[in-house]
Amino acid sequence: GAVVSQHPSRVICKSGTSVKIECRSLDFQATTMFWYRQFPKKSLMLMATSNEGSKATYEQGVEKDKFLINHASLTLSTLTVTSAHPEDSSFYICSARGQSEVEKLFFGSGTQLSVL
Amino acid sequence: GQNIDQPTEMTATEGAIVQINCTYQTSGFNGLFWYQQHAGEAPTFLSYNVLDGLEEKGRFSSFLSRSKGYSYLLLKELQMKDSASYLCAVIDSNYQLIWGAGTKLIIKP
Repeated sequence: GAVVSQHPSRVICKSGTSVKIECRSLDFQATTMFWYRQFPKKSLMLMATSNEGSKATYEQGVEKDKFLINHASLTLSTLTVTSAHPEDSSFYICSARGQSEVEKLFFGSGTQLSVL
Repeated sequence: GQNIDQPTEMTATEGAIVQINCTYQTSGFNGLFWYQQHAGEAPTFLSYNVLDGLEEKGRFSSFLSRSKGYSYLLLKELQMKDSASYLCAVIDSNYQLIWGAGTKLIIKP
C-alpha cells in the first residue's frame, strides 16, 4: 500500500529556533497534503491543506507566518515551525491524498516536537 | 452537529479479546481511524478504514460500516502493555478530524 514518510519522529529544540518537518509520499504522487496538530484534550486538529504548486490554505486561528508550509513537489511537503516557543510543543502529523485514490488518505507517523 | 461516541472505559483480562465500539454522525466521511495513546505519550496510529469491512493487522483488527456509522477496534491476545486510551476519529467532508473522547482500556492480570 501507499506509504507516507514523516521525519523527524521526534525533535527537541531551544526556544527561538526553527524546526522543519518533512512529509514524503514514497510510492505515489500526493496532490494534496494535510497537516494536523494535537491539542491537549482536543486531539488532532487540521492546521492547513496544501496543494502541490500552490499556497497552503490555513484553518482559522493558525498563524501562516508561524507555520510555513511548502508543497513544492508531488512527493514532498514541509512544515516549518518558525521561532518555536514552548507553546508550540505538540504532536504534528501529515497526511496525503493521491491522484488515483482520492477517497483514501495516507498518514505519516507523526512528529513529537518539544520546545525547551 | 457532528458527534463521535465511544465508551469511556473498559476493563479486560490479559490474554482475552476486547472490542471497542465507535459510532459517528458527521458531515461527510473521508475515513475513520483508530489511535492508541499511552498516558503522557504521543498517539500511535493503529488503523485507517475508508471502505466497509474488516482490516486485520496482527493482534489488532478494525471494522467499518459506513451505512451504520459504526466502527470497532478488536484487540486479541491482550497484553498488559495494551492498557492505554484508544481514540476513534472520523475525517469529515472538509478533511477535519472529528474525535471521540477516547476509551480507556484497563487490562488486568
